[in-house]
Amino acid sequence: EAGVTQSPTHLIKTRGQQATLRCSPISGHTSVYWYQQALGLGLQFLLWYDEGEERNRGNFPPRFSGRQFPNYSSELNVNALELEDSALYLCASSFGQSNQPQHFGDGTRLSIL
Amino acid sequence: GDSVTQMEGPVTLSEEACLTINCTYTATGYPSLFWYVQYPGEGLQLLLKATKADDKGSNKGFEATYRKETTSFHLEKGSVQVSDSAVYFCALSGQGGKLIFGQGTELSVKP
Repeated sequence: EAGVTQSPTHLIKTRGQQATLRCSPISGHTSVYWYQQALGLGLQFLLWYDEGEERNRGNFPPRFSGRQFPNYSSELNVNALELEDSALYLCASSFGQSNQPQHFGDGTRLSIL
Repeated sequence: GDSVTQMEGPVTLSEEACLTINCTYTATGYPSLFWYVQYPGEGLQLLLKATKADDKGSNKGFEATYRKETTSFHLEKGSVQVSDSAVYFCALSGQGGKLIFGQGTELSVKP
């Protein structure tokens, strides 16, 4: 069974640009979650999508946004990139909603120059 | 709000030593508890889970018991290997679908 896949593996951008990160969940999983793992800040919850709808978002500015497609894959968009957006962005998926284990991909390393 | 506190690392052990990584939590309601492991350059792998008080999760020789009375979920292994070197994260299922993570504990096992 294929796990959660994320692309690209690495992404290098400059300040002010826009970044798009992609995630394909495990087959049968309907929920997709995004987390940011920044140096010194730990793992922070960004967004939760389920059945195509945004269900919850963490304490991040509106320039962090995303969507979930009918096939349950997801995109994370970050606009007006800032230096502090440099981080590993992890996507996870699960069956349905809360309390189900979340299974993670290997992440996209976003570097802002 | 909900939170997770882990013992600080790095933890350095010799091969075949016993491991305990402490994890305590604060939560409203009855969350599920998880341990994840992150190897260098990789994402998080679910190591084990427990969904209610007194549940014991186990996998690959690792164990953790959901202790409601002490709000703890300590990770233990009787004999560590070099291949166990990684960063370990304790997490709980918070409101709104999110996982709330501890700060992570780096484990280094020397041959």
